[in-house]
Amino acid sequence: DIVMTQSPDSLAVSLGGRATINCKSSQSVLFSSDNKNYLAWYQQKPGQSPRLLISWASTRESGVPERFSGSGSGTDFTLSISSLQAEDVAVYYCQQYYNTPRTFGQGTKVEIK
Amino acid sequence: QVQLVESGGGVVQPGRSLRLSCAADGFTITSYAMHWVRQAPGKGLEWVAVISSDGSDKWFSDSVRGRFVISRDNSRNTVSLEMHSLRVEDTAIFYCARSTMGVSAAGAAFDVWGHGTVVTVSS
Repeated sequence: DIVMTQSPDSLAVSLGGRATINCKSSQSVLFSSDNKNYLAWYQQKPGQSPRLLISWASTRESGVPERFSGSGSGTDFTLSISSLQAEDVAVYYCQQYYNTPRTFGQGTKVEIK
Repeated sequence: QVQLVESGGGVVQPGRSLRLSCAADGFTITSYAMHWVRQAPGKGLEWVAVISSDGSDKWFSDSVRGRFVISRDNSRNTVSLEMHSLRVEDTAIFYCARSTMGVSAAGAAFDVWGHGTVVTVSS
């Protein structure tokens, strides 16, 4: 199984500040045949179900604010929130869909400082 | 509006069975692989099972293989998860989610999720 490890487990950022979450996979999730990274980021707000923010490591889903961005390739990935808003308080998960089982990181809780 | 609606959760004793259902609304599931993902109280997300668009391919996590059965009825636009020999550690919110593309190998992200149904296994 591919193990996904996120860091940090939690972080507190000032309103308008930048939040950076890292995700590392135990093996590459870059598929050589199409040169795509099979990596997604989800946001889960308190009491809600997860929401897909970013797929293919860096492609924002429709309706996701531009302050969310994803980067990285192979085994190391980053989710950045450029200007944190109050509504961004949530737990963020990375997930690989390179193979089965589809594994998630343990989650990173983002709070307001 | 595209949505998934889970049902069937409840309180059950260890060793008993429970059947969850997931109904799709606003789209037809025939083009999608359908997944179940669970979240234990205060914990992270754990992928549980997937069934391919035509129902021919099914995969399970090690923690539920041999105890859970996944099925789909494309004519009714629903997916089900039969859970047998339930354990206390199966207590969780169970979400269904959809994805396109592959099931066992490289696939796609989960772009639509249900609101979840709560399963509590307790004596």
